[in-house]
Amino acid sequence: DSGVTQTPKHLITATGQRVTLRCSPRSGDLSVYWYQQSLDQGLQFLIQYYNGEERAKGNILERFSAQQFPDLHSELNLSSLELGDSALYFCASSVDAGQYTGELFFGEGSRLTVL
Amino acid sequence: GEDVEQSLFLSVREGDSSVINCTYTDSSSTYLYWYKQEPGAGLQLLTYIFSNMDMKQDQRLTVLLNKKDKHLSLRIADTQTGDSAIYFCARYTGGGNKLTFGTGTQLKVEL
Repeated sequence: DSGVTQTPKHLITATGQRVTLRCSPRSGDLSVYWYQQSLDQGLQFLIQYYNGEERAKGNILERFSAQQFPDLHSELNLSSLELGDSALYFCASSVDAGQYTGELFFGEGSRLTVL
Repeated sequence: GEDVEQSLFLSVREGDSSVINCTYTDSSSTYLYWYKQEPGAGLQLLTYIFSNMDMKQDQRLTVLLNKKDKHLSLRIADTQTGDSAIYFCARYTGGGNKLTFGTGTQLKVEL
């Protein structure tokens, strides 16, 4: 158990809909990262937050947004869903922001299926 | 570029050594990592190496780094069935704490 909790574990929805994925980082970790894992794209970095502020942005679509709340949990919002958004979405956390420690702690992922 | 490439599959017999390879294009990496993903689970850090090192050994794991060829490898000695998983190499990319992951290598250990 990494200490990172993601909900829901599985989600099935229709095209055009909107979903929210939730992540609670490991106790004491200030950074939260979102990754998308799909068969054709591999593991893609989406976005990072550190202590409530956006820290780094990767290949995140404009239809997607994220935020980190004062209690440090994070939510990833996916809207106007398309079939190609079906993937496993991972949240990871780390204690640091500017000085990279070398270790991310990953949750078990939220599997999104868009029909 | 940020490409990190790995072969997709590797099959070995139990007790043999496994060598998983990774190549990358950006030579400015400061850290390189190996993560393991077991079925239905998230990724777990196995080991990492600083770019100023050539080799790092950690129990059954040996990491070799060839900076000239931009080649990273992970050797698993005495491979066990519990080592069956997907192995990702990753490199630290500047501009934030962002890891760029390779495509992953699925290791299958046969009896």
